[in-house]
Amino acid sequence: DIQMTQSPSSLSEFVGGRVTITCRSSQTISHYLNWYQQKPGKAPKLLIYDASTLQTGVPSRFSGRGSGTEFTLTIDNLQPEDFATYYCQQTYTTLITFGGGTRVDI
Amino acid sequence: QLQLQESGPRMVTASRTLTLTCTVSGGSLASGGSYWGWIRQRPGKGLEWLGYIYFSGSAYYNPSLKNRLDISLGTSEHQFSLTLESVTAADTAVYYCARGFSDKEGYNSGCDVWGQGTLVSVSS
Repeated sequence: DIQMTQSPSSLSEFVGGRVTITCRSSQTISHYLNWYQQKPGKAPKLLIYDASTLQTGVPSRFSGRGSGTEFTLTIDNLQPEDFATYYCQQTYTTLITFGGGTRVDI
Repeated sequence: QLQLQESGPRMVTASRTLTLTCTVSGGSLASGGSYWGWIRQRPGKGLEWLGYIYFSGSAYYNPSLKNRLDISLGTSEHQFSLTLESVTAADTAVYYCARGFSDKEGYNSGCDVWGQGTLVSVSS
């Protein structure tokens, strides 16, 4: 199995601030890395796929970078609606795996 | 607009079998470049990928479920199912179905459409 490790597990930031979440894979996954946002009681929402491609309708303050084993999700100009939990996911292998999640609090 | 909806029991007795169905509307399982997955989330925990299936019928499973899991296509092009045998309290979770898409090279990419999720509790 490919293990996905996210850091930090939680963070606090102000509205208008910038956050960066890191996701590391236990082996190379090329660019097959996706990012999701989940709010309490809701299904996850796809933000970025293939490491850096913004999903349709997602604000441009979200961006993703990386390849191989290290990836980042950055949120610029943090908005009140961005406070949520974020997950990375690798789809490089037939056994798809998620990271443990990063909770972003005000 | 593609939509997914999970259905099935809200409570299952321990050691019995759980069966959930995902109904696809606004499209079909035959949509090219798609895979159809099941994901769960235990209370207060993160997302766990359970497995997925292609319209061809090929399915791939999380080995942590130790052969208890089966994902199958329905009799129509609008349903697929999850069957989990010998459930325990550890299987209590919100279960989601989702549609994943493939990139231009045919590799699996992200899951862009999700059901709302259904909470299943296992009782002793």
